Amino acid sequence: EAQVTQNPRYLITVTGKKLTVTCSQNMNHEYMSWYRQDPGLGLRQIYYSMNVEVTDKGDVPEGYKVSRKEKRNFPLILESPSPNQTSLYFCASSPLAGPRREQFFGPGTRLTVL
Amino acid sequence: SQQGEEDPQALSIQEGENATMNCSYKTSINNLQWYRQNSGRGLVHLILIRSNEREKHSGRLRVTLDTSKKSSSLLITASRAADTASYFCATDNGSARQLTFGSGTQLTVLP
Repeated sequence: EAQVTQNPRYLITVTGKKLTVTCSQNMNHEYMSWYRQDPGLGLRQIYYSMNVEVTDKGDVPEGYKVSRKEKRNFPLILESPSPNQTSLYFCASSPLAGPRREQFFGPGTRLTVL
Repeated sequence: SQQGEEDPQALSIQEGENATMNCSYKTSINNLQWYRQNSGRGLVHLILIRSNEREKHSGRLRVTLDTSKKSSSLLITASRAADTASYFCATDNGSARQLTFGSGTQLTVLP
């Protein structure tokens, strides 16, 4: 089944404790992206990647890191989480070629930073 | 930056009625997409309309795009309780594959 998976789905952590949220897709998509969703603000893009070893900042990259060492994986790293990073996080992927430009979303990771 | 703004923020209708949601955006776009999100779940793509298209249909969905007014509307006909969800428009300007989402319309369809 074509899908985007994220782990963990739920995470409660404390300020300053490094964490990684994994994202993996099995559709051979070149493009991958991370969003955060907060009430009243919609989805805001954190980072995106056009292909392996190619990453770029989105609208709200501060406090986050990403890497794209393999085509299928795009982990989101919070080196020193803070309470304002409490949010619902989504990973998404899409192909770069072809007429269909829809993004496929993972199920989300709900992060709470105490 | 927030490109798309949906209107209304919340909409409540009876099953069988039509639901119309609007999206306005600020800068030129290449495509406009509509997504649906069930509570706490990932977004699901509904339909894409290109900047040179004015109207598109998919099942019970009808999307219009008016580039002169920088606005789009999503019409769901003969709504069902299962259509209850949040609906987001998303725009891209054709470069770098960045999608910019609005804040969404929460649709509630009452049985």
